[in-house]
Amino acid sequence: AQRVTQPEKLLSVFKGAPVELKCNYSYSGSPELFWYVQYSRQRLQLLLRHISRESIKGFTADLNKGETSFHLKKPFAQEEDSAMYYCALSAPNYNDMRFGAGTRLTVKP
Amino acid sequence: DAGITQSPRHKVTETGTPVTLRCHQTENHRYMYWYRQDPGHGLRLIHYSYGVKDTDKGEVSDGYSVSRSKTEDFLLTLESATSSQTSVYFCAISERPPYEQYFGPGTRLTVT
Repeated sequence: AQRVTQPEKLLSVFKGAPVELKCNYSYSGSPELFWYVQYSRQRLQLLLRHISRESIKGFTADLNKGETSFHLKKPFAQEEDSAMYYCALSAPNYNDMRFGAGTRLTVKP
Repeated sequence: DAGITQSPRHKVTETGTPVTLRCHQTENHRYMYWYRQDPGHGLRLIHYSYGVKDTDKGEVSDGYSVSRSKTEDFLLTLESATSSQTSVYFCAISERPPYEQYFGPGTRLTVT
């Protein structure tokens, strides 16, 4: 069964510091992986998906099939990056998307 | 934001009463989903629909039922609300898996 693990519930960094939010998954095939972000009092929105290989708001994520990981990184965190981040997995033969428990990132001034 | 609305946005109800939440989309997407969001659990799928009158259970479907009589509307019913169903409920839509999902604004439900 597909499963997504985000080992850190809370992560706190200072402004300008690098940040990495970890995501590990279990799935035997070729999954589609996503990062969603939820800012305070807003709906979830897509941050990026691995297939597009683009950088959004300075964030990047690399799919490592050997380690079954899809960690989200940003070299210099900003205060406006403070939010809840969810890693999610979908697959062509599944109708649903599986989410991790989420990591709350706080960027301190 | 994608054309997704949820109603009501907030609701307080008593244990044992039935509750229906509505999700409405204007994107004509085939797939619709209901999730609940709880601290420490992230988003968990309750039910989803892959077409009009076509629905299936998700991870946490006990105590919930759904209906989809039109492409644009997906209803979630708590048949007899319990305090454990106090949560924030999100609707999402998708053209088809594994495409991205677009989320509604959420409904905060409190069962007293």
